[in-house]
Amino acid sequence: DTEVTQTPKHLVMGMTNKKSLKCEQHMGHRAMYWYKQKAKKPPELMFVYSYEKLSINESVPSRFSPECPNSSLLNLHLHALQPEDSALYLCASSQGNTGTDTQYFGPGTRLTVL
Amino acid sequence: EDQVTQSPEALRLQEGESSSLNCSYTVSGLRGLFWYRQDPGKGPEFLFTLYSAGEEKEKERLKATLTKKESFLHITAPKPEDSATYLCAVQAESGGYQKVTFGTGTKLQVIP
Repeated sequence: DTEVTQTPKHLVMGMTNKKSLKCEQHMGHRAMYWYKQKAKKPPELMFVYSYEKLSINESVPSRFSPECPNSSLLNLHLHALQPEDSALYLCASSQGNTGTDTQYFGPGTRLTVL
Repeated sequence: EDQVTQSPEALRLQEGESSSLNCSYTVSGLRGLFWYRQDPGKGPEFLFTLYSAGEEKEKERLKATLTKKESFLHITAPKPEDSATYLCAVQAESGGYQKVTFGTGTKLQVIP
C-alpha cells in the first residue's frame, strides 16, 4: 500500500482565518514533505520532516507553520495567508531522506485564499 | 545548481501513435531519477525510479530509460486515458539532504 491521505480536499479561507491541513501515511515512512504547486508549475518544496524533526525549511514565510505530531501524521497550520498563497498543497512521504527514496504523494488540498 | 528540463512542453498524439518524452538533467551526484504522472488537480502518481545509466523499467504501455545526461519515457500505442502531465524529477545530495528537483512537465493529450 502506497497511500498518502490528505484532508480537506478543498479549503477556502479569508486572510484573517486560521486553518490546518492534515496528512497521514501508514507505510512506516520516516520522512514527510510539504510541497506547494501553482497551476502549470512543478511542485515546490516547502518543508521536510525526518524522523519527526524538521530538517528542511525552504525559506517559507512564517504564516505557514508545519507540525509533525508523530511518524504517521503531518500538519500544516495556516494563518494570515495572502491571495497569492492560493495553490494545491501536496504532502509526500518516503522511507527516509538520506538515500534514494521514492516520494509518494497524496491527492493534495486545493487552497483558495480570498 | 541542479537543473531538469523536459521536452516537449506539450504533446498531442493520436490513439495508437507511439512517442517519447525527454528529461535532460544537470546535477552533481545523481542518486535517482523519478517519473510521475499527474492528472489535473491531483497529486503526482509514482511511475518509475531509475538509479543508474543503462537502466530500463516498464509498466504497461510505458517504458523509462536512463543515460548519463537524460531519461526518456516511451509511450507505446497510447490510449486516451494516458492523457496527463508527466513529471520528471532528479534526486541528488545537497548538504546532507537528498534534494529532489522537478522538471516543468510534459502535458500529453491522446486523441481517440
